[in-house]
Amino acid sequence: AQKVTQAQTEISVVEKEDVTLDCVYETRDTTYYLFWYKQPPSGELVFLIRRNSFDEQNEISGRYSWNFQKSTSSFNFTITASQVVDSAVYFCALSGIIQGAQKLVFGQGTRLTINP
Amino acid sequence: GAGVSQSPRYKVAKRGQDVALRCDPISGHVSLFWYQQALGQGPEFLTYFQNEAQLDKSGLPSDRFFAERPEGSVSTLKIQRTQQEDSAVYLCASSLVGHRPGELFFGEGSRLTVL
Repeated sequence: AQKVTQAQTEISVVEKEDVTLDCVYETRDTTYYLFWYKQPPSGELVFLIRRNSFDEQNEISGRYSWNFQKSTSSFNFTITASQVVDSAVYFCALSGIIQGAQKLVFGQGTRLTINP
Repeated sequence: GAGVSQSPRYKVAKRGQDVALRCDPISGHVSLFWYQQALGQGPEFLTYFQNEAQLDKSGLPSDRFFAERPEGSVSTLKIQRTQQEDSAVYLCASSLVGHRPGELFFGEGSRLTVL
């Protein structure tokens, strides 16, 4: 069975602080995808990133960076110099590769609040 | 339209009523998904279509839940004899097949409240 755990239910920081959202996953698949999605107050989830299990290279996109460590089954997300617009619920997700990532298993989400 | 459109945005039903939730995916998107999101939880997979074919319905919680996509475009999720535990936001998503796996485009959801 696949499982994603986001232990941090809520995080609140002051604008411009750096913040890291933790994600730990469980899977018996040898190949899989990992994802991060953002859910703003409007409700629609927005895709942020996908990583393959065989590519552990960390990724940076502007103020966002992702740290994938297969040895600890973690895929953490860091926002540098946070902004109020980053306030949202963030979900980590997992899927198998063989079937083309047709079924995503989501964590419970971390509600991030950036205070001005 | 430019994005995934869902209707109604809000639905209040009395226990035992039937409801139908509609999803209009992004034009040209072959794949369509339904997820259920309970309050304070992450989305949970319900079912998946590729064109009009329902390829995976393993997440439907009971036989009261039924989804269809007869012409490979608009989809309807129907819940018969609603119960209080069905209260949730129902999210629809669409995507291209093969290209960018797992990159789903979600609608804003239909919030169902069963009294």
